[in-house]
Amino acid sequence: VVLTQSPATLSLSPGERATLSCRASQSVSSYLAWYQQKPDQAPRLLIYDASNRAAGIPARFSGSGSGTDFTLTISSLEPEDFAVYYCQQCYNWPLTFGPGTKVDIQ
Amino acid sequence: EVQLVESGGVLVQPGGSLRLSCAASGFNFGTYGMHWVRQAPGKGLEWISYITASRDSIHYVDSVEGRFTISRDNARNSLFLQMSSLRDEDTAVYYCARDVGSGRRSFDNWGQGTLVTVSS
Repeated sequence: VVLTQSPATLSLSPGERATLSCRASQSVSSYLAWYQQKPDQAPRLLIYDASNRAAGIPARFSGSGSGTDFTLTISSLEPEDFAVYYCQQCYNWPLTFGPGTKVDIQ
Repeated sequence: EVQLVESGGVLVQPGGSLRLSCAASGFNFGTYGMHWVRQAPGKGLEWISYITASRDSIHYVDSVEGRFTISRDNARNSLFLQMSSLRDEDTAVYYCARDVGSGRRSFDNWGQGTLVTVSS
């Protein structure tokens, strides 16, 4: 399954809403996860099963979608949210990631 | 607290071999599936292998099939990746990651990574 993420870069200001898209080349049902990665750090799981927040993840992060189209929304950007975000399909082997969306400060 | 600590990353020549280790603590290691995920310098994430808790099912990405072998020792709370016939394109930070569980195939805890450099 090939995942495409858009946009490649999203330039926003703190307090703004971020909407990130992930599209799959075939249906992955709801088996999709989202990760956040900051420079020189390991990725962190944000969302699993398309819409379930992982433990300790703030409520401003939400996920939606099913089938081939998914969205990660950050309702109001905090300074610590500027990072790269990856989607990952959990539907079949091999597990695959999207190329990432970089959210940077405008 | 869940902790995953990778080790074993070094500079190795093309065609060489290497064994990575991941020491787990803070959870019941023997009940979780485990993964290896890598990231080439400046690039995105690539899942490479998975092993179930009981070792009864193993999966690899095509690019490492036949060259890499995943294994685990539940008594020692350790995960391994035996890498052989290494290529330049295997240069990456290698992360071990815990499966969320219940067959979800996503990764809820990650190590800090260990750098493997393949170069002559």
